[in-house]
Amino acid sequence: KQEVTQIPAALSVPEGENLVLNCSFTDSAIYNLQWFRQDPGKGLTSLLLIQSSQREQTSGRLNASLDKSSGRSTLYIAASQPGDSATYLCAVATGNQFYFGTGTSLTVIP
Amino acid sequence: GAGVSQTPSNKVTEKGKYVELRCDPISGHTALYWYRQSLGQGPEFLIYFQGTGAADDSGLPNDRFFAVRPEGSVSTLKIQRTERGDSAVYLCASSLRPADTEAFFGQGTRLTVV
Repeated sequence: KQEVTQIPAALSVPEGENLVLNCSFTDSAIYNLQWFRQDPGKGLTSLLLIQSSQREQTSGRLNASLDKSSGRSTLYIAASQPGDSATYLCAVATGNQFYFGTGTSLTVIP
Repeated sequence: GAGVSQTPSNKVTEKGKYVELRCDPISGHTALYWYRQSLGQGPEFLIYFQGTGAADDSGLPNDRFFAVRPEGSVSTLKIQRTERGDSAVYLCASSLRPADTEAFFGQGTRLTVV
């Protein structure tokens, strides 16, 4: 069974810092990996999708990388802002479902 | 609609009652997923539909849980004889095709069993 781990569980940074969130998975037979953002009491907002054949994807200040062979992905956030404060989840598509990590709770301090 | 819509947004029910949770996926999306999220945890898979059929229901915890998608669009998750342990946020997602395309999630239904 696919297992997804996210490190760190929580992160607090001052505004303006660049930061990296980590995601690892145990089974490299994936279709894609998706990063989501979840605000308290809300649903999931899709940030970036990386197909299994891709190495990275970029959207604005966000950059996600994928190393399928080592079972790792990173989400890089440049010039963090207080509005980036949320929980970030990675999800790996394997078989018929998406497997989620438990998320990284990010706080950006003004 | 523009996104995945779930109703109700909140549901409080008494232990032992029956509840139905509704999901309206993005138009044209053939794949539909139900997930359950407990506080501080990542979403856990319940069931996946491809069209009208449940292609994978391996995540349903027991036979009190059932889901349908009769016309390949709207889906209903049904929970019989609710228990306090069923309290969670129930999330629905849809994608254009199974698993290999971007998934879009609704805002969820927060179910509280008292």
